[in-house]
Amino acid sequence: SQQGEEDPQALSIQEGENATMNCSYKTSINNLQWYRQNSGRGLVHLILIRSNEREKHSGRLRVTLDTSKKSSSLLITASRAADTASYFCATDAASGSRLTFGEGTQLTVNP
Amino acid sequence: GAVVSQHPSWVICKSGTSVKIECRSLDFQATTMFWYRQFPKQSLMLMATSNEGSKATYEQGVEKDKFLINHASLTLSTLTVTSAHPEDSSFYICSARVQGGRELFFGEGSRLTVL
Repeated sequence: SQQGEEDPQALSIQEGENATMNCSYKTSINNLQWYRQNSGRGLVHLILIRSNEREKHSGRLRVTLDTSKKSSSLLITASRAADTASYFCATDAASGSRLTFGEGTQLTVNP
Repeated sequence: GAVVSQHPSWVICKSGTSVKIECRSLDFQATTMFWYRQFPKQSLMLMATSNEGSKATYEQGVEKDKFLINHASLTLSTLTVTSAHPEDSSFYICSARVQGGRELFFGEGSRLTVL
């Protein structure tokens, strides 16, 4: 199966609530990245966490990485309607390699 | 951040014709660019890795003669869908890395509709 499986596939919440998305992967990684895609648009890089890091913050984003469980989570706090998008994790197995994308989580934030 | 421009953003063509999509790195040089295909509500599928000055590396199952990739300069890669058929209709996205960087910068994507 594909490296980078995410759950849930879809998540619908109210504005102001927190949104948590999870990503699991199968092989060893150099780093793991999260991207956002608005409907019909390209992807935008959100945050990168290295294999020797356990947690990273960027604004309202919080990413955790558990290499023993081969999993990562993305938390968006105090969500806004503008956060509505698809979120993908991507694993970087080695220096210079291509990224492998997960299946994505479709997040809908209702105003 | 670095900017990747993709053109056209959408194109409609007749079956049997060829369509060229351009991917440009506007403010950095990209020795490697990546071409993806994305079906509705699905993830990105890597089609090929475009290498400046050499042949592209195609993923398994991707037809080289169908999807021609040319990376003639450090800022431009093109994907040509040859003899397009309705099943080639999809969203095509390119991306590139700044040298030494790990994150990918994506173009806005090109939606191809083959009638």
